[in-house]
Amino acid sequence: DAKTTQPTSMDCAEGRAANLPCNHSTISGNEYVYWYRQIHSQGPQYIIHGLKNNETNEMASLIITEDRKSSTLILPHATLRDTAVYYCIVLPPDTGRRALTFGSGTRLQVQP
Amino acid sequence: DAGVIQSPRHEVTEMGQEVTLRCKPISGHNSLFWYRQTMMRGLELLIYFNNNVPIDDSGMPEDRFSAKMPNASFSTLKIQPSEPRDSAVYFCASSSSRSNTEAFFGQGTRLTVV
Repeated sequence: DAKTTQPTSMDCAEGRAANLPCNHSTISGNEYVYWYRQIHSQGPQYIIHGLKNNETNEMASLIITEDRKSSTLILPHATLRDTAVYYCIVLPPDTGRRALTFGSGTRLQVQP
Repeated sequence: DAGVIQSPRHEVTEMGQEVTLRCKPISGHNSLFWYRQTMMRGLELLIYFNNNVPIDDSGMPEDRFSAKMPNASFSTLKIQPSEPRDSAVYFCASSSSRSNTEAFFGQGTRLTVV
């Protein structure tokens, strides 16, 4: 599985957009980019995933560069409840047969 | 659906005792994962099952750890004998083997071995 690189920590002001980058320069053509987050003391929570095109759902937007070597997770209006560790993970299709491998992630602190 | 259910939520046990952690996956999911989380090592995959069959147990630390999935709705992770270094939060997750579906995690079991 492709390795990912994320900043260790980031701060964001409440109400502003949080942009979390992820580098995955060794990603293969059929591998998806997944984002999960873990709020303190809870289990990880799925946020969004994508292959080539940008994706948006009720939680966030995912922007994947044209060469697919990096991506950015965007929380459009961060709230204090978005304070969490965010994990970027690359996986091939058929994820039911493959396990998520978590790196260190980015610790996002949303400031009031 | 109630989501992935783990029990107990907290467990304190003495070194040398047997510990059994339990997980009920989401109905209809056929993949189940066990993870361990510590401050030092982060989230580590221990083992995962597909259709009740263990697929990869390379993350199981040693023979003291064993996991079973007797049917599609139940799995256990057993530590015998337990040691203080096993203290961690253990998470169970499940997913469907349809392509590109997300995994759902339980709330975890916080294990303390004294």
